[in-house]
Amino acid sequence: EADIYQTPRYLVIGTGKKITLECSQTMGHDKMYWYQQDPGMELHLIHYSYGVNSTEKGDLSSESTVSRIRTEHFPLTLESARPSHTSQYLCASEAGMGNEQFFGPGTRLTVL
Amino acid sequence: GESVGLHLPTLSVQEGDNSIINCAYSNSASDYFIWYKQESGKGPQFIIDIRSNMDKRQGQRVTVLLNKTVKHLSLQIAATQPGDSAVYFCAENINSGYSTLTFGKGTMLLVSP
Repeated sequence: EADIYQTPRYLVIGTGKKITLECSQTMGHDKMYWYQQDPGMELHLIHYSYGVNSTEKGDLSSESTVSRIRTEHFPLTLESARPSHTSQYLCASEAGMGNEQFFGPGTRLTVL
Repeated sequence: GESVGLHLPTLSVQEGDNSIINCAYSNSASDYFIWYKQESGKGPQFIIDIRSNMDKRQGQRVTVLLNKTVKHLSLQIAATQPGDSAVYFCAENINSGYSTLTFGKGTMLLVSP
């Protein structure tokens, strides 16, 4: 079992709220990722990081932002949530170049 | 955002049968491939990987086959069990260190007792 954690697991909020989805890993991995996944669909990369102070946008355009101040922590923030942000958000980390990614359990976000 | 998902390709098998899940990957430059299993309400879980210098790799009850000529990847599960029921995703990567995984659309495996 990989040591990567996401909180909260489920979140229901109203439109316009600011939210932060937390992701932490205790494996010392440099690379971390955020994916968005709708039910029955593939994973879409929205943000990633090569290490501390590194953040990159992924393939899928997202209104969210990320930060990487510490190796183990990679939070994702939505400044003003909208119903179109309703989805599952998965965090992952990777040990190095071309290795498997370990996934957290996901955060299921519903914006009313 | 949320949308009505397209029906996933579904493979239905009986317990004890062998299962084969297929995946066509997109980038001929990809040189690293992974199969993930995702159970309902959980994040994807690593099953097995293969690099492009191999065409077959075996794990416990699972085998991955890689055909670079036709850009095809398959996952074989021997003696399928009800606990194998999940969505299976293939993913590809170019092992440059600066590239990211690209996931396929997924196949749902349903195992009947």
